[in-house]
Amino acid sequence: GQNIDQPTEMTATEGAIVQINCTYQTSGFNGLFWYQQHAGEAPTFLSYNVLDGLEEKGRFSSFLSRSKGYSYLLLKELQMKDSASYLCAVRVTTGGSYIPTFGRGTSLIVHP
Amino acid sequence: NAGVTQTPKFRVLKTGQSMTLLCAQDMNHEYMYWYRQDPGMGLRLIHYSVGEGTTAKGEVPDGYNVSRLKKQNFLLGLESAAPSQTSVYFCASRKAGGANEQFFGPGTRLTVL
Repeated sequence: GQNIDQPTEMTATEGAIVQINCTYQTSGFNGLFWYQQHAGEAPTFLSYNVLDGLEEKGRFSSFLSRSKGYSYLLLKELQMKDSASYLCAVRVTTGGSYIPTFGRGTSLIVHP
Repeated sequence: NAGVTQTPKFRVLKTGQSMTLLCAQDMNHEYMYWYRQDPGMGLRLIHYSVGEGTTAKGEVPDGYNVSRLKKQNFLLGLESAAPSQTSVYFCASRKAGGANEQFFGPGTRLTVL
């Protein structure tokens, strides 16, 4: 089975930087996704990592270390609208198909 | 493009009733998924499909059945609803290929009394 751990909740101040960590133990690893989910809405895609290193996309960056089973999502210049749940999803290869498994999500609260 | 749509948006059932949730996508995606999301539990995969006419079980398939008769539609059925199936159900689709992300529908909020 897969085991994915994220902090349950984090708080940060508008304009600051926050790092949300995700650790995983899995077999057949084939990529890691981060999604953002605002309350009452559907998840939306933020980033994808399959090789070690940092992927940067505007204010958001995601890092992956496959050897350590570790990823983080970095949010810079925080805005109030970044208050949301952030979901880490590990994709594994099962019977020739790519199957994602989601962590429980990290609820980020941004305050003025 | 409408993307991924789900019908209905809300539903209340009594224990033992049956219903079907419909998911439709207009992006010609090969893969489709049904998840349930409960407080503190994250998204859990119920069933998925890698193409028209094929389905497979996910992490929590018991009490649910699915069908993918057309590429654009993925149906989730509850034959005899139970209060434990009260949840928000999300459908997602994805284009085949390694780096492609999932696109999610708006969700169906189901309450079983």
